[in-house]
Amino acid sequence: AQSVTQLGSHVSVSEGALVLLRCNYSSSVPPYLFWYVQYPNQGLQLLLKYTSAATLVKGINGFEAEFKKSETSFHLTKPSAHMSDAAEYFCAVSDTGTASKLTFGTGTRLQVTL
Amino acid sequence: ETGVTQTPRHLVMGMTNKKSLKCEQHLGHNAMYWYKQSAKKPLELMFVYNFKEQTENNSVPSRFSPECPNSSHLFLHLHTLQPEDSALYLCASSQAGQDTEAFFGQGTRLTVV
Repeated sequence: AQSVTQLGSHVSVSEGALVLLRCNYSSSVPPYLFWYVQYPNQGLQLLLKYTSAATLVKGINGFEAEFKKSETSFHLTKPSAHMSDAAEYFCAVSDTGTASKLTFGTGTRLQVTL
Repeated sequence: ETGVTQTPRHLVMGMTNKKSLKCEQHLGHNAMYWYKQSAKKPLELMFVYNFKEQTENNSVPSRFSPECPNSSHLFLHLHTLQPEDSALYLCASSQAGQDTEAFFGQGTRLTVV
């Protein structure tokens, strides 16, 4: 069975500061990992995905994530936060490589302050 | 047209009402999904359709009834709902196969009174 744990339901950073959102996964097979972002009153938008190619994955809006098998982690980072990054972020795992078997974490709400 | 469109965006219904949620995708995908997003809970996959056939039902109560008349349209028929069914219902679509990603609609905010 696969599962995802997102540490910290709320994260607050200052504008220009590093963003670090944590995600740990559990999967019995090599996983496919995803980060989605949800802006207020919107659906989910894919930020980036790991599909067993490069362990450092670059996504949209300056975000990137690194797959670390030894730590079973896929943390999301951005060097410099912008006010427009305020949103909820979801980590998801699939152990079949298909979108039909996504298991999501509970989400982390990112607040960006001046 | 945006990729995945859901209507209505907001719905308030009584426990004895019957209503339907609609989802339409313009991406040429052949798989469609219904998810439920409740406060402080992970997104819950409800139903999966591949090539119009239901391939997954995650123990969803029968008061939720999905319908997929073609690969572009997905409905969720609602009847005799409970207040705890109030949530954001998200539709998604993807191309069936490996290395795929799901594209989500904006959701329908459902309130059961």
